[in-house]
Amino acid sequence: GAVVSQHPSRVICKSGTSVKIECRSLDFQATTMFWYRQFPKQSLMLMATSNEGSKATYEQGVEKDKFLINHASLTLSTLTVTSAHPEDSSFYICSARRRETGELFFGEGSRLTVL
Amino acid sequence: AQKITQTQPGMFVQEKEAVTLDCTYDTSDPSYGLFWYKQPSSGEMIFLIYQGSYDQQNATEGRYSLNFQKARKSANLVISASQLGDSAMYFCAMRVVGSARQLTFGSGTQLTVLP
Repeated sequence: GAVVSQHPSRVICKSGTSVKIECRSLDFQATTMFWYRQFPKQSLMLMATSNEGSKATYEQGVEKDKFLINHASLTLSTLTVTSAHPEDSSFYICSARRRETGELFFGEGSRLTVL
Repeated sequence: AQKITQTQPGMFVQEKEAVTLDCTYDTSDPSYGLFWYKQPSSGEMIFLIYQGSYDQQNATEGRYSLNFQKARKSANLVISASQLGDSAMYFCAMRVVGSARQLTFGSGTQLTVLP
């Protein structure tokens, strides 16, 4: 089956630093990738939609300067949390839409802890 | 706008028994898809089952079946013969066909299977 890989799976950083999370579709091309944020015991909240070669579309209330999303190729999207603060600590999950079928596949998630 | 409601924050079931997880949805679009995902403590999102709004029959996948009642706008997940490994968070989600938007998730139900 199709695989979406996220890296790193866990990251701990100091407040004020930036953290980059990668989302890769390993065996298919993804025209669209989605980034979600999930707090403990809560649902997944869509942060932004990224299309290859174009700017990401952010959901209302998500700071685009804070959460930089780049979708440089059909297999890679990155989320950079800039100047991270403890309140940015969360579980971030990406999903990718397979170009040929429109099916959605999720990455394993990345747990960010900001000290 | 689409909305998914899961009214059971937590459910308990005895091993080998069946359990129903509730999901209701709201949308004005006639074409949509309903999904159920399982999220164990590891965080990965595991796709379980899909039901299209025009599907005449309820979807089934092994021990999972979807009780789709279109007029009531409900899409309950039935897990038969529960196993200890079924203990996890379960999310109902919806996507409008043709929409560029990602899945809209419900708040989730934490299922605990008791030995």
